[in-house]
Amino acid sequence: QSALTQPASVSGSPGQSITISCTGTSGDIGSYNYVSWYQRRPDKAPKLIIYDVAKRPSGISSRFSGSKSGNTASLTISGLQAEDEADYYCCSYTGIRPDVVFGGGTTLTVL
Amino acid sequence: QITLKESGPAVVKPTQTLTLTCTFSGFSLSSNGVAVTWIRQPPGKALEWLALIFWDDDKRYIPSLKNRLTITKDTSKNQVVLTMTNLDPADTATYFCAHTSLFTTKWAFDFWGQGTLVTVSS
Repeated sequence: QSALTQPASVSGSPGQSITISCTGTSGDIGSYNYVSWYQRRPDKAPKLIIYDVAKRPSGISSRFSGSKSGNTASLTISGLQAEDEADYYCCSYTGIRPDVVFGGGTTLTVL
Repeated sequence: QITLKESGPAVVKPTQTLTLTCTFSGFSLSSNGVAVTWIRQPPGKALEWLALIFWDDDKRYIPSLKNRLTITKDTSKNQVVLTMTNLDPADTATYFCAHTSLFTTKWAFDFWGQGTLVTVSS
């Protein structure tokens, strides 16, 4: 069982927006703004798409956005495209052991 | 340009020791704030953080595997090595190494290797 809880799957049609939630505790997401999100396509390495809750690395589309409220972080993908179909993982620093925890992953299907 | 690449055996027998090497370029693991981490993903399962080593040789491990893991660095070779003892079929996974910096992405992993699949089987 993963330390952070994500829905197993979400889906949306091209052009729509979807949001993936990531629920932790007051000891991880609730205490630190070190939440990151990763996109994992089949047979590809995970790709960082959001860090520090809401920052985008260079080259990441503005269609990807992140936020946090209390112990829950969220990833929103707007203007869904077929290429967004992938698994998405949230991640948080915890300040204790283990230092880093991942969510169980969410499979995004673009209908 | 930062790149990382994992190398190691594709198949390991149960109870044996696994040694994985992460060879990187484009950064120095002696630079302040830089770290390299190991993360794995069993088939069909989620990512799991395993260990991390900082530029100053500070080391962090996942508690559930701490007794079986050792992470070391060779700054002159630009390599980080992860050793895992007493392998079990449950350790079958793709193992990734990745880069982070406390001054930029801070506990987020911005560059990853391609991963190496390790199968534990007799």
